[in-house]
Amino acid sequence: QKEVEQNSGPLSVPEGAIASLNCTYSDRVSQSFFWYRQYSGKSPELIMSIYSNGDKEDGRFTAQLNKASQYVSLLIRDSQPSDSATYLCAVNLHLGGGATNKLIFGTGTLLAVQP
Amino acid sequence: KAGVTQTPRYLIKTRGQQVTLSCSPISGHRSVSWYQQTPGQGLQFLFEYFSETQRNKGNFPGRFSGRQFSNSRSEMNVSTLELGDSALYLCASSLATGPTDTQYFGPGTRLTVL
Repeated sequence: QKEVEQNSGPLSVPEGAIASLNCTYSDRVSQSFFWYRQYSGKSPELIMSIYSNGDKEDGRFTAQLNKASQYVSLLIRDSQPSDSATYLCAVNLHLGGGATNKLIFGTGTLLAVQP
Repeated sequence: KAGVTQTPRYLIKTRGQQVTLSCSPISGHRSVSWYQQTPGQGLQFLFEYFSETQRNKGNFPGRFSGRQFSNSRSEMNVSTLELGDSALYLCASSLATGPTDTQYFGPGTRLTVL
């Protein structure tokens, strides 16, 4: 079982619709969760971070975390063609008592917003 | 505030050669992590440096190494290059504040091994 799993897509939604991206992770000790957006040929760009169960909203983006179900999602409201990109879910495994960084990424979901 | 910078942006090498990639973190960021991205394996963690010490290492062979300088700048080195080392190498920096630490990525170095 992969540590972080995402549906590779492509996920196609019409302009103005809500895009729903999902991610599951296997390590119960994971403490922080991130969504990055990556345009073709570019580097990942941070969209959202979430650390506690529940919802976190930032503009058109809402991240949802359910640690009991080991599930994190990203909702994009009023999707725009410029949102078309690969969305990467990342989980930070904090190892030991110190604050180490080791992001484990899913394979990414390709989102295509149709005008 | 300037973002993470990486040099060079593109590199072409031949098998057997070695390569050194450089990363300058965001000002004030003390942790630097390196990742390899390939179409087949996706984004994979290479290693993390904090206060000039390697704190964590991914599952890569010893040909991959790195270091961090006192000004937090970091370099990674790949020796005896193989065709499979062709990838986008990404550097990410963070404040190293604990469980809510957030990593910001540089533009990457595209390495092609011929």
